Amino acid sequence: KAGVTQTPRYLIKTRGQQVTLSCSPISGHRSVSWYQQTPGQGLQFLFEYFSETQRNKGNFPGRFSGRQFSNSRSEMNVSTLELGDSALYLCASKTGGYTGELFFGEGSRLTVL
Amino acid sequence: DQQVKQNSPSLSVQEGRISILNCDYTNSMFDYFLWYKKYPAEGPTFLISISSIKDKNEDGRFTVFLNKSAKHLSLHIVPSQPGDSAVYFCAASGNSGGSNYKLTFGKGTLLTVNP
Repeated sequence: KAGVTQTPRYLIKTRGQQVTLSCSPISGHRSVSWYQQTPGQGLQFLFEYFSETQRNKGNFPGRFSGRQFSNSRSEMNVSTLELGDSALYLCASKTGGYTGELFFGEGSRLTVL
Repeated sequence: DQQVKQNSPSLSVQEGRISILNCDYTNSMFDYFLWYKKYPAEGPTFLISISSIKDKNEDGRFTVFLNKSAKHLSLHIVPSQPGDSAVYFCAASGNSGGSNYKLTFGKGTLLTVNP
């Protein structure tokens, strides 16, 4: 069974640009969550989508947005990039229930210059 | 407001000894706890979980202990192996309004197991 796939793995952008990251969950998983990992801050929750609806949202500015498609694939977008947005962005999926482990992808490493 | 805290950024142990990683939480609505391990350039991988109805869960060399009254959990690795060297994240979730389904992570503890 294929794992969570994230693209692109690495990207470099400049301040003010926007970026779109993609995530394909494990087949059969309907919940997709996004996390931002920066040195010293651990994994900060961005948002979660379930059945194309945002089910949870973290404390990030409106520049961070996401969506989920009918096939459960998800994208997140960051507009007007800032230097502080440089981070590893992790996508994780699970079947959709309340409990249960999240399965993570390898992440998209974003560098903002 | 950090609801899940891992107060030790790093821990170093000798191969064959016990590794004890600690985690504290503040949200009394948390009722499901997990530990993840992360190697550099990889996504976190699930290790072990525990529900609040239990105080201990064991899986091979890994045991998680939960002390609800102290809002504290710990991960024990016995015996520790060099391949266990990684960052360990504690995570929690609870049925609490906007926190439904969401996992809240600590900042992680870097474990180094020396041969």
